[in-house]
Amino acid sequence: GAGVSQSPSNKVTEKGKDVELRCDPISGHTALYWYRQSLGQGLEFLIYFQGNSAPDKSGLPSDRFSAERTGGSVSTLTIQRTQQEDSAVYLCASSFAGQGRSGANVLTFGAGSRLTVL
Amino acid sequence: GQSLEQPSEVTAVEGAIVQINCTYQTSGFYGLSWYQQHDGGAPTFLSYNALDGLEETGRFSSFLSRSDSYGYLLLQELQMKDSASYFCAVRDMDSNYQLIWGAGTKLIIKP
Repeated sequence: GAGVSQSPSNKVTEKGKDVELRCDPISGHTALYWYRQSLGQGLEFLIYFQGNSAPDKSGLPSDRFSAERTGGSVSTLTIQRTQQEDSAVYLCASSFAGQGRSGANVLTFGAGSRLTVL
Repeated sequence: GQSLEQPSEVTAVEGAIVQINCTYQTSGFYGLSWYQQHDGGAPTFLSYNALDGLEETGRFSSFLSRSDSYGYLLLQELQMKDSASYFCAVRDMDSNYQLIWGAGTKLIIKP
């Protein structure tokens, strides 16, 4: 697609429920990132996929968080047994690989999924 | 470890020039990037410095000095629409080539 698409744009859920957030990256982008951003705060890295390499999961805050990327394209971030502290905007970004302006240094972000846990 | 530091908030007047600094500590990196984020919006790419020196794109310029571990974003002829948060980021060789992000600088522009 023309841009990074995320769904849902807004999700309100009850504490303890599971949620799935979807990211459809730009076609041809091999790198995909998930970030979390609380109101007025910076970007908190969650997970990074690059091509067929094993994902870097070092940013996932707990084992309730998991993510997968199928066929090197669409990615799903799953949060199990949601807690109120999980409330945030979840941002997905994609990029090409390699260096330089057209490469991995230029991330295109989706509009985000705003998660509210009651 | 790797870290980037930037001021949390900068205030400037419409029409003026403002500089947002970014200092970093990382063992090796591929260059410095800047992103803009308006309230409620997603970050958007502004500029990238692979080499030392100044990169200019319209009213925005970005500078990098590897020897000083320092960079800055310069915004000229400030407009109210430039009110946003600005993030610097570096791609770190030691972190699986991930982007390491600063905490962001909120730019407040007064008429």
